[in-house]
Amino acid sequence: AQTVTQSQPEMSVQEAETVTLSCTYDTSENNYYLFWYKQPPSRQMILVIRQEAYKQQNATENRFSVNFQKAAKSFSLKISDSQLGDTAMYFCAFMTGRGGSEKLVFGKGTKLTVNP
Amino acid sequence: DAGVIQSPRHEVTEMGQEVTLRCKPISGHNSLFWYRQTMMRGLELLIYFNNNVPIDDSGMPEDRFSAKMPNASFSTLKIQPSEPRDSAVYFCASSLETGQPQHFGDGTRLSIL
Repeated sequence: AQTVTQSQPEMSVQEAETVTLSCTYDTSENNYYLFWYKQPPSRQMILVIRQEAYKQQNATENRFSVNFQKAAKSFSLKISDSQLGDTAMYFCAFMTGRGGSEKLVFGKGTKLTVNP
Repeated sequence: DAGVIQSPRHEVTEMGQEVTLRCKPISGHNSLFWYRQTMMRGLELLIYFNNNVPIDDSGMPEDRFSAKMPNASFSTLKIQPSEPRDSAVYFCASSLETGQPQHFGDGTRLSIL
């Protein structure tokens, strides 16, 4: 079974600085997808970024980028120029690439606080 | 475009009562997921449907939980009888196809007294 580990329960960063959230996962599969979701206090689950395992290039979305290390099974999220609105829980998630099995397996989350 | 719509947003009821949570997926999405979020266990998949057919219900806790998807635009998650340990936030999500992001509703916060 796949597992996702987020080793940092809480982190904080000053506004405008850069922060990196860690995520590791365990799988025997070669084809899969990885995601970061953000959950602000409003409790919405918002997709931040997505990475396909077969792509070597790291995904980026504006201030958000990932460092995907397939051999190490690591998928960290970097937030540049942190903003107060980035304060939220961040969840790393894994999805197998096998057809017919689409469930997301989530890590326990990292609570990020951006300080003014 | 409307996102995934869940109702109610909050539900408070006494143990032993039947609870029904509702979800309308994004139009055109063919997969629908029910997740439960608790402090102790985090986010866990309960069940998911593809083209209205249940594919994986291994996460459904016990027989008190049931889910249906009578058509492509509606799903329900029912708990009967409810227990205090069922208190959690229940999310519905939908996606277009395998590998595509799942889009979540705003969740239902369920409190069983």
